[in-house]
Amino acid sequence: DTGVSQDPRHKITKRGQNVTFRCDPISEHNRLYWYRQTLGQGPEFLTYFQNEAQLEKSRLLSDRFSAERPKGSFSTLEIQRTEQGDSAMYLCASSLVGASSYNSPLHFGNGTRLTVT
Amino acid sequence: KQEVTQIPAALSVPEGENLVLNCSFTDSAIYNLQWFRQDPGKGLTSLLLIQSSQREQTSGRLNASLDKSSGRSTLYIAASQPGDSATYLCAVPAGYNNNDMRFGAGTRLTVKP
Repeated sequence: DTGVSQDPRHKITKRGQNVTFRCDPISEHNRLYWYRQTLGQGPEFLTYFQNEAQLEKSRLLSDRFSAERPKGSFSTLEIQRTEQGDSAMYLCASSLVGASSYNSPLHFGNGTRLTVT
Repeated sequence: KQEVTQIPAALSVPEGENLVLNCSFTDSAIYNLQWFRQDPGKGLTSLLLIQSSQREQTSGRLNASLDKSSGRSTLYIAASQPGDSATYLCAVPAGYNNNDMRFGAGTRLTVKP
């Protein structure tokens, strides 16, 4: 179990630029989640995948945000035309969910901290 | 809409004290509740997961209880240590059969040597 890994750890970009983050979940986990966290707050749900299918999206996920998990393994989160309000920690989590393990705990990566200047 | 509240927002205790962190949620139709720890600048580490059918879970010096009917959970930390200093967050599903986990803002714990 190598844990959930996220890349990069930090990203500084200028307003208007596009950025892409990557998440590698725990290998046997079929669910992958993206969250956003700002200082002093708990994480806010953005979207989740069951294998390669994106099953839920929060209304926080504007048209500028897109997430993919093409082969049901790693996932990418892209933000187009970044705004200063996008500055936050972007967290990825994974879990194993099945008929007998529906209540599986979430395992988080260390996040990607985005700063938009 | 599920809302999660954690009290207190911050807590400072001397080493060795036992302490209780509180979590309350508005929609009791949940299938589990999870407690996490977060160190500054890091992701969340899962501490305890309580299924809806359970009343408590224990791991080492940690004990978490769940009272679904009143919408409350507590995290009890025994014999606190400086290494326990972190932010503790609880999370519950937004609704039954809902995979959107709602988090509280957390309790920032400082254990002084």
